[in-house]
Amino acid sequence: SQQGEEDPQALSIQEGENATMNCSYKTSINNLQWYRQNSGRGLVHLILIRSNEREKHSGRLRVTLDTSKKSSSLLITASRAADTASYFCATDVGYNFNKFYFGSGTKLNVKP
Amino acid sequence: GAVVSQHPSWVICKSGTSVKIECRSLDFQATTMFWYRQFPKQSLMLMATSNEGSKATYEQGVEKDKFLINHASLTLSTLTVTSAHPEDSSFYICSASPDNEQFFGPGTRLTVL
Repeated sequence: SQQGEEDPQALSIQEGENATMNCSYKTSINNLQWYRQNSGRGLVHLILIRSNEREKHSGRLRVTLDTSKKSSSLLITASRAADTASYFCATDVGYNFNKFYFGSGTKLNVKP
Repeated sequence: GAVVSQHPSWVICKSGTSVKIECRSLDFQATTMFWYRQFPKQSLMLMATSNEGSKATYEQGVEKDKFLINHASLTLSTLTVTSAHPEDSSFYICSASPDNEQFFGPGTRLTVL
């Protein structure tokens, strides 16, 4: 990827379990965002965390950011089959905001 | 949230032909739009930054003569894949933003035979 790697590349869990995905990036960032993408479809924005924030919550989602390690994690709690999708982190690196580089993505499969 | 549309949603063309993909911001003006390419089972790769009224800025390794970008108005950017070849087959996605949140179009699937 242009910016960094995500791990795991693929994750398979049972419904109700938590899913954790990690993202590492290479350069300084303005903010980091997480997106989901269902197979062959467009992107859905999940959550944004700014470079001066360390943790953010939105419903069943929890995102952390460690700028010293250039890494972020996305936790989905109490997963559902409908959470099955690919998840990407995107870092906003532009001088003018909104120029995004995407991580390599994690393909999550939640088994019912 | 803001809406970004793309047209067409899918296109099949013969090798050697050119294909134009449109990206529109429907309810806001965007001086800057971005074009991404996504190969199957891979991540999105930023191709270029489309700037209204000026030349596009291309990422390293992206051929500007191959992928022509025109941002003629504050609500429309077009990507033309010239002399398309099978290896250009991909999912092309644009994005635009009225503020600090980026909104993505639904994507255009290009298949070159």
